[in-house]
Amino acid sequence: NAGVTQTPKFQVLKTGQSMTLQCAQDMNHNSMYWYRQDPGMGLRLIYYSASEGTTDKGEVPNGYNVSRLNKREFSLRLESAAPSQTSVYFCASSRAGGNEQYFGPGTRLTVT
Amino acid sequence: AQSVTQPDIHITVSEGASLELRCNYSYGATPYLFWYVQSPGQGLQLLLKYFSGDTLVQGIKGFEAEFKRSQSSFNLRKPSVHWSDAAEYFCAVGHILTGGGNKLTFGTGTQLKVEL
Repeated sequence: NAGVTQTPKFQVLKTGQSMTLQCAQDMNHNSMYWYRQDPGMGLRLIYYSASEGTTDKGEVPNGYNVSRLNKREFSLRLESAAPSQTSVYFCASSRAGGNEQYFGPGTRLTVT
Repeated sequence: AQSVTQPDIHITVSEGASLELRCNYSYGATPYLFWYVQSPGQGLQLLLKYFSGDTLVQGIKGFEAEFKRSQSSFNLRKPSVHWSDAAEYFCAVGHILTGGGNKLTFGTGTQLKVEL
């Protein structure tokens, strides 16, 4: 039981390049989330998927798109990376309702 | 809108001393509250959660937290800190989403240093 997995672990991009961050969970959770973590700012929600087939914007969605590929997988895409998107990205999943979220190990992204 | 305040950015305690990390929240209804811990270079691990019922909640690694509605607080405590507790701690409040899941709003975190 791997929990929440994320690929890649590290990535360096040049401004304007695109990339997709992958996330998968094996806990049969309905809901999945993408956060970014910046020093002194805690974690901020980028997008979420309350259930398979739905996605919604979070607190900081600009510059990102998401795809809920199936119940297990939820990807985050940067179409044209900017230095302001340098951050650590975390994927999480949860059951329905007010249950806790389980986090992946993170992807450290640097945009130069 | 919900919000969480962790007023202490850094805290240093001696090994064996007691610990209290402060968390204040703003939420319009009965909150779902969480404490997570993050070791360097790692993801977040749940320490404990409060949904309802007993206001003193026990978690993993000897941590506990007390929900005080009158003070809008959910402070984390540990009677005797171990060197391995050095990490960053995040308090979060959850809002249940229509259609499932919940939206967490995190505080900015408290970095705990343990002196040997």
